[in-house]
Amino acid sequence: AQKVTQAQTEISVVEKEDVTLDCVYETRDTTYYLFWYKQPPSGELVFLIRRNSFDEQNEISGRYSWNFQKSTSSFNFTITASQVVDSAVYFCALSEAFGGADGLTFGKGTHLIIQP
Amino acid sequence: DGGITQSPKYLFRKEGQNVTLSCEQNLNHDAMYWYRQDPGQGLRLIYYSQIVNDFQKGDIAEGYSVSREKKESFPLTVTSAQKNPTAFYLCASGPTGTGAYEQYFGPGTRLTVT
Repeated sequence: AQKVTQAQTEISVVEKEDVTLDCVYETRDTTYYLFWYKQPPSGELVFLIRRNSFDEQNEISGRYSWNFQKSTSSFNFTITASQVVDSAVYFCALSEAFGGADGLTFGKGTHLIIQP
Repeated sequence: DGGITQSPKYLFRKEGQNVTLSCEQNLNHDAMYWYRQDPGQGLRLIYYSQIVNDFQKGDIAEGYSVSREKKESFPLTVTSAQKNPTAFYLCASGPTGTGAYEQYFGPGTRLTVT
């Protein structure tokens, strides 16, 4: 069975600090997909990134970067120079479906608090 | 504007009553999903549908029912058999095909049963 673990329940940092959110996953498949979502206080999930298991290149998008390491089954998310608007709950998720339309398995989320 | 709508945003019901949560999408996605979120928990899959008139149970389907009569709509009924119905319910949709695609989420419905 697949599983996603986000061990950090809550992280609090001061604005402009860098912060890394950890995500460890378990799966028996060789083909799988990993996702990060942001849930602001409004409640709606916002898609951030999708990565497939064959692409281990790290990705950078503005202040956001993702480090995918198959050797440690991790897909960590770093926010550089954090801002108050980054405060939210962040979820890591996994899909094993090659067909593409099954549901996602989510971690329990990390509540990120950016203090001004 | 394309997107997913869920109504209402807040819903209150008495214990023992069935309640139906609405989900509509105009993104032309084939697949639709229902998730439940409890405080401090991740999202758990209730039901999903990859095509009209077909749907599959997720991890926590007991006490819930769905229908998919139209591509755009995927209503969820929380029945009186659901032991702990109070939760935040999120609907999502996504494309189908080779590979797994990101799902797009609606604003959610917060259901309180007393």
